[in-house]
Amino acid sequence: AQSVTQLDSQVPVFEEAPVELRCNYSSSVSVYLFWYVQYPNQGLQLLLKYLSGSTLVKGINGFEAEFNKSQTSFHLRKPSVHISDTAEYFCAVKSRGSTLGRLYFGRGTQLTVWP
Amino acid sequence: DAGVTQSPTHLIKTRGQHVTLRCSPISGHKSVSWYQQVLGQGPQFIFQYYEKEERGRGNFPDRFSARQFPNYSSELNVNALLLGDSALYLCASSLDPWRAFFGQGTRLTVV
Repeated sequence: AQSVTQLDSQVPVFEEAPVELRCNYSSSVSVYLFWYVQYPNQGLQLLLKYLSGSTLVKGINGFEAEFNKSQTSFHLRKPSVHISDTAEYFCAVKSRGSTLGRLYFGRGTQLTVWP
Repeated sequence: DAGVTQSPTHLIKTRGQHVTLRCSPISGHKSVSWYQQVLGQGPQFIFQYYEKEERGRGNFPDRFSARQFPNYSSELNVNALLLGDSALYLCASSLDPWRAFFGQGTRLTVV
């Protein structure tokens, strides 16, 4: 089985400042890694994913994440945030070897961007 | 193209009642998964269906059941509702294992 730990439940930041949302995972098998965003009263939207290849992954809305296998981490970053980035962010993993689409999610990080 | 649609968007039920939630996947997607998201937590996997067969089940009691129809739409049923079943229920459809598209969810409140 896999598990995901999001180290910060809440991250407040001022507009135009950089931000990093931390994610660590545990798994006995190789995994795919994902970041999803959830705006209030909405479902989940995929920000980016790591499947293979370059460990630096770029996603939508200016976000990027870096896969670090030795530290089993997949931290999400944005160099300059906007008010509209205020949302809940979820890190998730899925076993590579399984055709089952089951995702294991972290508890989420609430990003709040202040003007 | 329409995304994943779920109905209803909100509903309120009384303890002990039964509820049915519905999901229509993106056209062409044969896999549907259900997740429960309790307030303040990440989504938890309940079921996955592919080609009308159950392919996986999370750690949920037998009060939870689901099915997938020939048109790939799906229903999630919960019997004997408990207060703790109050949550956002998310449906996701996928064409391949590494890209799941989520619906807006059904907010269930049990009173």
